[in-house]
Amino acid sequence: KNQVEQSPQSLIILEGKNCTLQCNYTVSPFSNLRWYKQDTGRGPVSLTIMTFSENTKSNGRYTATLDADTKQSSLHITASQLSDSASYICVVSADSGGFKTIFGAGTRLFVKA
Amino acid sequence: GAVVSQHPSRVICKSGTSVKIECRSLDFQATTMFWYRQFPKQSLMLMATSNEGSKATYEQGVEKDKFLINHASLTLSTLTVTSAHPEDSSFYICSARRVEGSGSPLHFGNGTRLTVT
Repeated sequence: KNQVEQSPQSLIILEGKNCTLQCNYTVSPFSNLRWYKQDTGRGPVSLTIMTFSENTKSNGRYTATLDADTKQSSLHITASQLSDSASYICVVSADSGGFKTIFGAGTRLFVKA
Repeated sequence: GAVVSQHPSRVICKSGTSVKIECRSLDFQATTMFWYRQFPKQSLMLMATSNEGSKATYEQGVEKDKFLINHASLTLSTLTVTSAHPEDSSFYICSARRVEGSGSPLHFGNGTRLTVT
């Protein structure tokens, strides 16, 4: 069964601190993995995309990693800002003829001053 | 800037009435658009795939007669919640890809908050 599991469910950190969000998946055949940021009351916005051969990809203060062998990904946020408060959703695409997109439940991040 | 526009952003309606939500791709043509529903503190749940010029494909458990989808043009898909009830209150979001295929990111609208009283 294709599944995407994220942890933690929620996280509170102080402004300026770093944090790491986790995503484990059992999606096959794997096509790619994206991290999206969703601000409250808004639609998600893509942060990074990882394909099978990529291990690390950065987008500003966001760094995503992918271990295709263990089927794990992480999103590391450096020097957090108040505006980082949002839900972060891990989305994995499977490509078996017609592709399918599976959403994780998300991690709600709260950055406090 | 936004590439997918969704309207309205908020709507309050009475039980039993129907509500139409529009999703537009602003600077590209989308043969396929996706509709999701999101309950508080939960992730997006795909409801249906809207296909231009043909019938929508609904996910298991989603009533097609309840959630009518029309994809009349390459830039517009509409979702109509018919005979809405309080349990239909939710956040509805649409998305589309500039380029078909999983390698292209999904561009999401900003969602529609539906409240049925």
